Amino acid sequence: AQTVTQSQPEMSVQEAETVTLSCTYDTSESNYYLFWYKQPPSRQMILVIRQEAYKQQNATENRFSVNFQKAAKSFSLKISDSQLGDTAMYFCAFDSGYALNFGKGTSLLVTP
Amino acid sequence: ETGVTQTPRHLVMGMTNKKSLKCEQHLGHNAMYWYKQSAKKPLELMFVYSLEERVENNSVPSRFSPECPNSSHLFLHLHTLQPEDSALYLCASSQGTSGANFREQYFGPGTRLTVT
Repeated sequence: AQTVTQSQPEMSVQEAETVTLSCTYDTSESNYYLFWYKQPPSRQMILVIRQEAYKQQNATENRFSVNFQKAAKSFSLKISDSQLGDTAMYFCAFDSGYALNFGKGTSLLVTP
Repeated sequence: ETGVTQTPRHLVMGMTNKKSLKCEQHLGHNAMYWYKQSAKKPLELMFVYSLEERVENNSVPSRFSPECPNSSHLFLHLHTLQPEDSALYLCASSQGTSGANFREQYFGPGTRLTVT
């Protein structure tokens, strides 16, 4: 079974600073996809960024980037220039089949 | 807004009631999903429908009964629930069920269910 571990239940960062959320996963697959989803308070979950395992280059979307270490099975999310609107639950998800396996999430609070 | 809507947004029901959750997607997707989100636990996949056929049922108790009449609509029929079934129920859709472009899932806002 594929498992996804997010070891940081809660994190806090000041506005304009950089924060990194960690995620590790366990799989025997060689080709798969990884995602970070964001769930703001009382709002819909939205996709932040995705990474395909066969691509060596780390994905980047504006202020969001990942550090994908395939051998270590690590997939961390870096948020640069944090904004108040980044306050949310962040879920790492692994996909190699019919559906996504999610981690328990990291609650990120961005403070002024 | 992600193009996926869910109704109702909040539901309180007794253990003997029968109710249904509705999900609708306006994205032209072919796959739809039900997830259960409980506090302090990962999202749990409940059901997957692809082209209106159920392709996965993750050992969900029979008191939860899904229905997918067409590729735009998904229902979750509830009956004789237990208090531990209280959770946020999320619906999602994707273009298909393989490959990242197809598996990128769009979520609805969820239905907050409380079973008393």
